Amino acid sequence: GDSVTQKEGLVTLTEGLPVMLNCTYQTIYSNAFLFWYVHYLNESPRLLLKSSTDNKRTEHQGFHATLHKSSSSFHLQKSSAQLSDSALYYCALRANYGNEKITFGAGTKLTIKP
Amino acid sequence: GGIITQTPKFLIGQEGQKLTLKCQQNFNHDTMYWYRQDSGKGLRLIYYSITENDLQKGDLSEGYDASREKKSSFSLTVTSAQKNEMAVFLCASSSRGLAEQFFGPGTRLTVL
Repeated sequence: GDSVTQKEGLVTLTEGLPVMLNCTYQTIYSNAFLFWYVHYLNESPRLLLKSSTDNKRTEHQGFHATLHKSSSSFHLQKSSAQLSDSALYYCALRANYGNEKITFGAGTKLTIKP
Repeated sequence: GGIITQTPKFLIGQEGQKLTLKCQQNFNHDTMYWYRQDSGKGLRLIYYSITENDLQKGDLSEGYDASREKKSSFSLTVTSAQKNEMAVFLCASSSRGLAEQFFGPGTRLTVL
């Protein structure tokens, strides 16, 4: 079946350093859609980024990610971490258009320290 | 805009008890989802429904039932609560296709 792997469960960084959270996925479908959701403490998870286009960079709120179908990856990056970026980040996969099932990774808890 | 409400916010039950969690959305979305959130295990799909009266099993459906009697509501029943399933249960909804999911605030389940 479909799966999403987020290798890092916990990432702690100093403010101002670059952020990179890894996401790889497995599916038999070639037209997969990938998402990044962010879950701040005491809030509901919400969409941060999404993409279905191979090798195209997508950006939102200072974060960016590029879907690479050749390596089945969709890593989340930011050039300079802020304290307010501390949250739980989930990578998610919708395997193909018309399939309403969405598979989430285990999540990465990002903590930014001053 | 719209909103997803989940009731109750906190649910405390006894081991072996049958417990029901409720979710309502006013987005007029077709698809609704129930996820269980455990630390270190991410969001695991329990059930989803693509339309009224439809039910699709997720990866974690054993021990749970669901009901979608109206387009706007989706209920989840824990058939026999166990201590190892204390977690936060999140409801979400989305429209069809490449659409983002909108999440509710969650129900935190404690089993005594």
